[in-house]
Amino acid sequence: AQSVTQLDSQVPVFEEAPVELRCNYSSSVSVYLFWYVQYPNQGLQLLLKYLSGSTLVKGINGFEAEFNKSQTSFHLRKPSVHISDTAEYFCAVGLGSARQLTFGSGTQLTVLP
Amino acid sequence: GAVVSQHPSRVICKSGTSVKIECRSLDFQATTMFWYRQFPKQSLMLMATSNEGSKATYEQGVEKDKFLINHASLTLSTLTVTSAHPEDSSFYICSARDQKGPYEQYFGPGTRLTVT
Repeated sequence: AQSVTQLDSQVPVFEEAPVELRCNYSSSVSVYLFWYVQYPNQGLQLLLKYLSGSTLVKGINGFEAEFNKSQTSFHLRKPSVHISDTAEYFCAVGLGSARQLTFGSGTQLTVLP
Repeated sequence: GAVVSQHPSRVICKSGTSVKIECRSLDFQATTMFWYRQFPKQSLMLMATSNEGSKATYEQGVEKDKFLINHASLTLSTLTVTSAHPEDSSFYICSARDQKGPYEQYFGPGTRLTVT
């Protein structure tokens, strides 16, 4: 079985500063990895995904993530954040024929003026 | 493209009544839909996987007689919370998997259920 660990439950950062949200996973087989963003009282929006190929994945809103197989990590980064990036971010792992997703516990990113 | 809608967005019901939540894929066909539950400040917990034309697969600990799922067409799945109790109050989110993508899931906006 796979699991996903998001090490930071809350990350405050000043506007225009860089940010990294950490995600580690455990799985004995190949996985598919995702980052989603959730704004208050809304569903989830896909930021980016890693299925195969290049380990550096670029997503929407200037976010990117790097798949590191040896460290079983898929950290999310943005070089310069905006106030509008304030939201909850979830890392997820996809596995199996049913193609279910297992979500991490989430990281609340708060961008301060 | 790839829009998933949920209805209603908010519902308040009395204890003991049943509530139906609809999940629709608006511009694609979804053979598989997923239902999640999310408590405040927590992650999404998968409740069940719904496949068009067949019975839903429930996760361990989820009462299938309480949370009835029907996936009657390629664009519609419904979740009915039967005999609702205050502890069923939560944010329910559905997602739909596009047949064309390997793992692409698109999420609905969620339904806030409050049982009084």
